[in-house]
Amino acid sequence: KAGVTQTPRYLIKTRGQQVTLSCSPISGHRSVSWYQQTPGQGLQFLFEYFSETQRNKGNFPGRFSGRQFSNSRSEMNVSTLELGDSALYLCASSLNRGIGDTIYFGEGSWLTVV
Amino acid sequence: AQTVTQSQPEMSVQEAETVTLSCTYDTSENNYYLFWYKQPPSRQMILVIRQEAYKQQNATENRFSVNFQKAAKSFSLKISDSQLGDTAMYFCAFMKVIQGAQKLVFGQGTRLTINP
Repeated sequence: KAGVTQTPRYLIKTRGQQVTLSCSPISGHRSVSWYQQTPGQGLQFLFEYFSETQRNKGNFPGRFSGRQFSNSRSEMNVSTLELGDSALYLCASSLNRGIGDTIYFGEGSWLTVV
Repeated sequence: AQTVTQSQPEMSVQEAETVTLSCTYDTSENNYYLFWYKQPPSRQMILVIRQEAYKQQNATENRFSVNFQKAAKSFSLKISDSQLGDTAMYFCAFMKVIQGAQKLVFGQGTRLTINP
């Protein structure tokens, strides 16, 4: 069974640009969540999607958005990039049966903003 | 809001030794879940072990076991017979399920080095 797949793995963007990151969850998983990892702030929750609906959102500005498609694949978008958006963005998926199902992570997308 | 604290930023032990990583958390909830994740240099987060708060029995996975003290809000990870491949960042995480939505709150991590 394939794990959580994220693309692209590495990318460099310029301040002010926008970026879209893609995530394919483990087959059968309907919940997809995103986390940002930086040296200063550690691992922070961005948002979670289930059946194409955003159910939970972290404390990030509106420049960070996401969506989920009918096949459970998800994308997150960051507009008007700032230097501080440089981070490892981790996508994760789970069965999410409401019983604290384990969340499985992808290898992440490394974003560098210059 | 829930918080998770890992008081040991770095630890180092010799191969085959036993090591314990500490984690405390703050919550007013009674039903929740706790996890330990490992992040090797490849940066992929890998689940090590999972504990349901309603279970008194400590979880065990091969060489990995936890000491879950609910009243003290403590959730430590013990690695027995440590191996070079155990070298990684270890994150303790708390999960509360609210109306089906779940998110992880992570500690700051402990960098563990296993020396040959």
